[in-house]
Amino acid sequence: DIVMTQSPDSLAVSLGERATINCKSSQSVLYSSNNKNYLGWYQQKPGQPPKLLIYWASTRESGVPDRFSGSGSGTDFTLTISSLQAEDVAVYYCQQFYSTPHNFGQGTKLEIK
Amino acid sequence: EVQLLESGGGFVQPGESLRLSCAASGFTFSNYDMSWVRQAPGKGLEWVSGISGSGGNTYYADSVKGRFTISRDNSKNTLFLQMNNLRAEDTAVFYCAKGGYSWYLDSWGQGTLVTVSS
Repeated sequence: DIVMTQSPDSLAVSLGERATINCKSSQSVLYSSNNKNYLGWYQQKPGQPPKLLIYWASTRESGVPDRFSGSGSGTDFTLTISSLQAEDVAVYYCQQFYSTPHNFGQGTKLEIK
Repeated sequence: EVQLLESGGGFVQPGESLRLSCAASGFTFSNYDMSWVRQAPGKGLEWVSGISGSGGNTYYADSVKGRFTISRDNSKNTLFLQMNNLRAEDTAVFYCAKGGYSWYLDSWGQGTLVTVSS
């Protein structure tokens, strides 16, 4: 099984500042035949279901603000929020969908400093 | 607009069974893989099970293999999760989620709560 590890577990950032969340997979999630990383990022606000932000490691889902971006390849990935807004307070999860079980990271709680 | 509506959650004792349903609308159901994801109270997300669009391929987390069965009725646009021999550690909100071009989850239901306790 592929284990997903996020860092940090929690993060406090000032409004307007950059937030960076890291995700590491225990095996590569890059599929060589199509050169795609099978990695997604989700945002979950309290009392709500998760929401897809990014898939293929760097493709923004329709309707997601462009302050959210994903990067990385192979085993190391990053979610960046370029200018933190109050509505971005949430828990963020990465997930690999390269092989089953499609494990999630443990989550990173993002708060306002 | 994609809509996913879970039902069937409730309070059961250890060893009992429950069947969850997820009614889908707003997309061609049979064209998409579907998954179940759960979240224990105050905890993170755990992928539970997935099924291909045709229903011909099913996948499970080790924690539920042999106890849970995922299925779908494409004629009724409905996803199911049959849960047998439930344990206290199965207590969670269970979400139904739609796959995108691959197995990433681009739409989620609101969830249904399953509580297993004596």
